Amino acid sequence: GQQLNQSPQSMFIQEGEDVSMNCTSSSIFNTWLWYKQDPGEGPVLLIALYKAGELTSNGRLTAQFGITRKDSFLNISASIPSDVGIYFCAGAQDNTDKLIFGTGTRLQVFP
Amino acid sequence: KAGVTQTPRYLIKTRGQQVTLSCSPISGHRSVSWYQQTPGQGLQFLFEYFSETQRNKGNFPGRFSGRQFSNSRSEMNVSTLELGDSALYLCASGAAPPQDTQYFGPGTRLTVL
Repeated sequence: GQQLNQSPQSMFIQEGEDVSMNCTSSSIFNTWLWYKQDPGEGPVLLIALYKAGELTSNGRLTAQFGITRKDSFLNISASIPSDVGIYFCAGAQDNTDKLIFGTGTRLQVFP
Repeated sequence: KAGVTQTPRYLIKTRGQQVTLSCSPISGHRSVSWYQQTPGQGLQFLFEYFSETQRNKGNFPGRFSGRQFSNSRSEMNVSTLELGDSALYLCASGAAPPQDTQYFGPGTRLTVL
């Protein structure tokens, strides 16, 4: 099936560090979403982006919709232990279209 | 407001059997989407239902089917199970497009032996 390329695949960082991850595609998307999934749970929406160049924050999380509309970035500042989980990007080519998910970034935070 | 519920949470079946999974969306939501999540393939879209009609379909074989009832509850069925069908099956509900209004359930973990 179709997937977005997400990197890095995994990250091991110390508490307090900043984190960056990105998602790229060969196709243009009109919506970019970022989700977090905890073990045994479904993904939870963190940030939604609708416009090329848009920069949106949600607490310590900031995401950007790439200018080319083929990529998106998520930054987490001052990481804490509860940031541990798998982060997924997802894109939709129009607002009624199915979501295509990235391969995920597994984040581990050490105290 | 209660979230998306999926039953059962865990299921073990053997090859060749069939299985039916259930999803109850958030009250008032009319859109239900189903996804398969595996370590190797990630999250893959199966299908989406809105007002009892299948609106979008992913690239899965015909063994995977679904339906939605008039109360918006949805079921998905997998016939002639294969080992590779072992996965976490996630359901997401939404009021309507855009897709960012989707809320995921906890999933059903299916193991095929």
